[in-house]
Amino acid sequence: NAGVMQNPRHLVRRRGQEARLRCSPVKGHSHVYWYRQLPEEGLKFMVYLQKENIIDESGMPKERFSAEFPKEGPSILRIQQVVRGDSAAYFCASSPQSGNTEAFFGQGTRLTVV
Amino acid sequence: GEDVEQSLFLSVREGDSSVINCTYTDSSSTYLYWYKQEPGAGLQLLTYIFSNMDMKQDQRLTVLLNKKDKHLSLRIADTQTGDSAIYFCAEARGNDYKLSFGAGTTVTVRA
Repeated sequence: NAGVMQNPRHLVRRRGQEARLRCSPVKGHSHVYWYRQLPEEGLKFMVYLQKENIIDESGMPKERFSAEFPKEGPSILRIQQVVRGDSAAYFCASSPQSGNTEAFFGQGTRLTVV
Repeated sequence: GEDVEQSLFLSVREGDSSVINCTYTDSSSTYLYWYKQEPGAGLQLLTYIFSNMDMKQDQRLTVLLNKKDKHLSLRIADTQTGDSAIYFCAEARGNDYKLSFGAGTTVTVRA
């Protein structure tokens, strides 16, 4: 579906730089979820946001990571001072209401830290 | 290790049935899901089953749930080349928005 759009698809950053990952949800969806997939592992929940609110950030690392979903525009996952261990695929999903039976996932952003 | 476990690879002949297995650990899981990821694409929800059900059938897909053994399986009948993909098992614990995924099973369909 033309639904969830993530960009960029691939992002290369040097250690210490900042990475900004964007997620445009399906039109009309006000719930956004970010997941991270490390190599050869399953997706891990990071954060759940509604417009202008962080609902659950229990999966976010305590430092360097932040997320927002402003009233206008895409959701942003921001990683400051990236390290090699941040290299992963970051997936965004959106739904019209809380829950996953109607959630659509984006194609993911593959972050490589060199 | 992963809380949700699945074998990493499955090779199946076109026209045969595929069975992908998954074990999970949280007996309080409310929903269990199967997602499909084709190359370069996002995860597509294939089907899900509520924890009080044993089986769910949807066209070529059959999901079996054994709560006692915490075992979930996905059977694809008459497997086609378009079924080649990575299949993820996931469980929802408590609040159903927070999913725990397995590492994915790569299914390869050979002619």
